[in-house]
Amino acid sequence: DAGVIQSPRHEVTEMGQEVTLRCKPISGHNSLFWYRQTMMRGLELLIYFNNNVPIDDSGMPEDRFSAKMPNASFSTLKIQPSEPRDSAVYFCASSGRTSGASYEQYFGPGTRLTVT
Amino acid sequence: SQQGEEDPQALSIQEGENATMNCSYKTSINNLQWYRQNSGRGLVHLILIRSNEREKHSGRLRVTLDTSKKSSSLLITASRAADTASYFCATARFTGSARQLTFGSGTQLTVLP
Repeated sequence: DAGVIQSPRHEVTEMGQEVTLRCKPISGHNSLFWYRQTMMRGLELLIYFNNNVPIDDSGMPEDRFSAKMPNASFSTLKIQPSEPRDSAVYFCASSGRTSGASYEQYFGPGTRLTVT
Repeated sequence: SQQGEEDPQALSIQEGENATMNCSYKTSINNLQWYRQNSGRGLVHLILIRSNEREKHSGRLRVTLDTSKKSSSLLITASRAADTASYFCATARFTGSARQLTFGSGTQLTVLP
């Protein structure tokens, strides 16, 4: 398996522009998570999906952020309009039911977003 | 505040020494997991310990869990320079359809050659 795939790996954009981050989870996993990591705030859970349905989006900073999961193999995180304070590394992770229901998560390589 | 809090925030040791990192949490859990993150990379799952377990081993890793004190420790024995990374504990509390983990702030481990 290729693991969790994220694109792009790096994104540099200007303030006010729309940014779309993409994620392909591990095949067979039914939970998908979006995280943001910064030096100041550490690793923050933004939103997660079970069986393509958003379960908890309480971590989404504000209405400028939106996430979708149209099918089991694809998810997007969109920021519109982007602001410099959105600069961070965004991780996607997936998990699935394993023996004993441990639900360990598998992380993608992340997208480093820089908003100027 | 975060569910898991690691201690210390940073640890520097010589190659061959043991490294111990601690994690404290606040609520009841289903399991506790430790992850590793190399600079510029995603987190990688290392080891999981269930709430009814007290100790678990995997290679050079040893994890303990004390549910009465709501704390866990990760021991890396005979450390190597390649163990240099950030280590995070994550607590799992599954209720209903909830499957999320709550990550701590991490311990930055530096192993000097």
